[in-house]
Amino acid sequence: NAGVTQTPKFQVLKTGQSMTLQCAQDMNHEYMSWYRQDPGMGLRLIHYSVGAGITDQGEVPNGYNVSRSTTEDFPLRLLSAAPSQTSVYFCASSKTQGAGGYTFGSGTRLTVV
Amino acid sequence: AQSVTQPDIHITVSEGASLELRCNYSYGATPYLFWYVQSPGQGLQLLLKYFSGDTLVQGIKGFEAEFKRSQSSFNLRKPSVHWSDAAEYFCAVGFNTDKLIFGTGTRLQVFP
Repeated sequence: NAGVTQTPKFQVLKTGQSMTLQCAQDMNHEYMSWYRQDPGMGLRLIHYSVGAGITDQGEVPNGYNVSRSTTEDFPLRLLSAAPSQTSVYFCASSKTQGAGGYTFGSGTRLTVV
Repeated sequence: AQSVTQPDIHITVSEGASLELRCNYSYGATPYLFWYVQSPGQGLQLLLKYFSGDTLVQGIKGFEAEFKRSQSSFNLRKPSVHWSDAAEYFCAVGFNTDKLIFGTGTRLQVFP
């Protein structure tokens, strides 16, 4: 199994550009989340989903949109990139609510100039 | 508010020495508790988890952690550190929701 696959691995954007970070999992996990990792701040939750068609905001949702049309995919959209969104983004999935522990993708390193 | 604290930003140990990484949480009930490890440029790998029962849990790579309710702590330990254990370690807490809250991480450096 591939687990959680994130694309691209690296991306450079100009301020104001939009893009979508892709996340796919092949483990039939219901729960998926997006985190951003910044130095000294750990991982902060952006958005999460408990199943297809259901999404909710996390700790730092501003400037990001998500949708969950299928169980497998959970893309993260940056509407108008800002330098403050320079970060490493991780997608994660879990089969069970809360207690299962998440499986993480290898991350997308995004730089906004 | 729910929170997770890892008080040590950076720890340096000699290879073969014992290790303890600290984690404290703030919450009214017992949450789900996790330790993850992140090697440079990689994603996070689950080391171990605690839900209930025996308060000493064993994980992968020779790690263990002990839940202490009275101290709201879930410290990670390893009796003998190997150079390959150098990485960043994150404590995470799930509060019976779909979210995990992470600590800010502890970077472990291992000297030969």
